[in-house]
Amino acid sequence: EDKVVQSPLSLVVHEGDTVTLNCSYEVTNFRSLLWYKQEKKAPTFLFMLTSSGIEKKSGRLSSILDKKELFSILNITATQTGDSAIYLCAVANQAGTALIFGKGTTLSVSS
Amino acid sequence: GAGVSQSPSNKVTEKGKDVELRCDPISGHTALYWYRQRLGQGLEFLIYFQGNSAPDKSGLPSDRFSAERTGESVSTLTIQRTQQEDSAVYLCASSLASPGTAGELFFGEGSRLTVL
Repeated sequence: EDKVVQSPLSLVVHEGDTVTLNCSYEVTNFRSLLWYKQEKKAPTFLFMLTSSGIEKKSGRLSSILDKKELFSILNITATQTGDSAIYLCAVANQAGTALIFGKGTTLSVSS
Repeated sequence: GAGVSQSPSNKVTEKGKDVELRCDPISGHTALYWYRQRLGQGLEFLIYFQGNSAPDKSGLPSDRFSAERTGESVSTLTIQRTQQEDSAVYLCASSLASPGTAGELFFGEGSRLTVL
């Protein structure tokens, strides 16, 4: 059965801290891994990763994929209160159609 | 439209009633997905439509759940004889992904269903 496990489930940090969110997966016929940020309702896209070892970067956020060890990390440096959200990791299933999501990591950044 | 549109945004119903949730995807997006998100949980895949191909219904939790989509337009998710366990936010997403490729999904704001 395809599955995605994220850790930690929740995290509380202070502004300016750096955080690392983890996503491990088991999926047959891997296609891609995606990260989303969910603040209130609709998740918004952050990154899509398909190749190992190539870092994707957007401002203070970056992510990398390890297809051998079957995991990805999402790093956020110099955190701000606006980074408070649920971060969702998802991978393509065997058919390469729908995405299988993890339960998410709830990040709270205090000022 | 500019984004994925869902309606109603909130629905409160009594146990045993049927409900219909609507999703209007981004124009030109061939793929449409329904997910369910219970409080404090991740997104649970329900069903996937890709163009005129047969939908992937593998995530539907029971035969009380069904969904339709005509061509590449609006989709409706129907829940019959609702149960309290059906209470959740139902999220719709669309993408340009071609068959066999999982690309970026664009999500709607969701329909929050509460079954009393």
